[in-house]
Amino acid sequence: NAGVTQTPKFQVLKTGQSMTLQCAQDMNHEYMSWYRQDPGMGLRLIHYSVGAGITDQGEVPNGYNVSRSTTEDFPLRLLSAAPSQTSVYFCASSYYPVTDTQYFGPGTRLTVL
Amino acid sequence: KQEVTQIPAALSVPEGENLVLNCSFTDSAIYNLQWFRQDPGKGLTSLLLIQSSQREQTSGRLNASLDKSSGRSTLYIAASQPGDSATYLCAVLVNAGNMLTFGGGTRLMVKP
Repeated sequence: NAGVTQTPKFQVLKTGQSMTLQCAQDMNHEYMSWYRQDPGMGLRLIHYSVGAGITDQGEVPNGYNVSRSTTEDFPLRLLSAAPSQTSVYFCASSYYPVTDTQYFGPGTRLTVL
Repeated sequence: KQEVTQIPAALSVPEGENLVLNCSFTDSAIYNLQWFRQDPGKGLTSLLLIQSSQREQTSGRLNASLDKSSGRSTLYIAASQPGDSATYLCAVLVNAGNMLTFGGGTRLMVKP
């Protein structure tokens, strides 16, 4: 199993550009989520999904969009990048979060100029 | 709103020492608590998961305890090694759907 994979590893954008961060898992997990990690703020939940076709907002959803068309993939879209979105983004997945551990991807480091 | 705090923010110990990392949370209505390890520039690796009905979990040299009523958890690391140097994060699951609330982490350095 590859586990949770994220692409790209690094990305630099200009203000106003859009892009999609990719996340995929091969463990047949229903639950997937996106977090951002910022110095002094810790990890904060952006969006999450409890299964294909079902998504919901987390703590900091503004400026981000998600969809879940398959069990394996959960892309995160930045609609119009802003410097405040400079961060490290982590994708996570779990079979059933109440009883099972969450597996995190290696992260995408995004810089918005 | 659930808040998770980890003390200390940083810790430096000599190799071989036993140590305790602390985590506190404000709302006892949690599903579980997890401890993660994060190496610089890397993702998070799960160390231990404690269900809300459990008091402790052990894995090798690691032991995590949970006291839900007081809103506290501790991670005990026995006989620390330089390879244990990393940031340790605790997180509580506040709803069944996947919402983890993280603490700020404790950055541990174990000196040879």
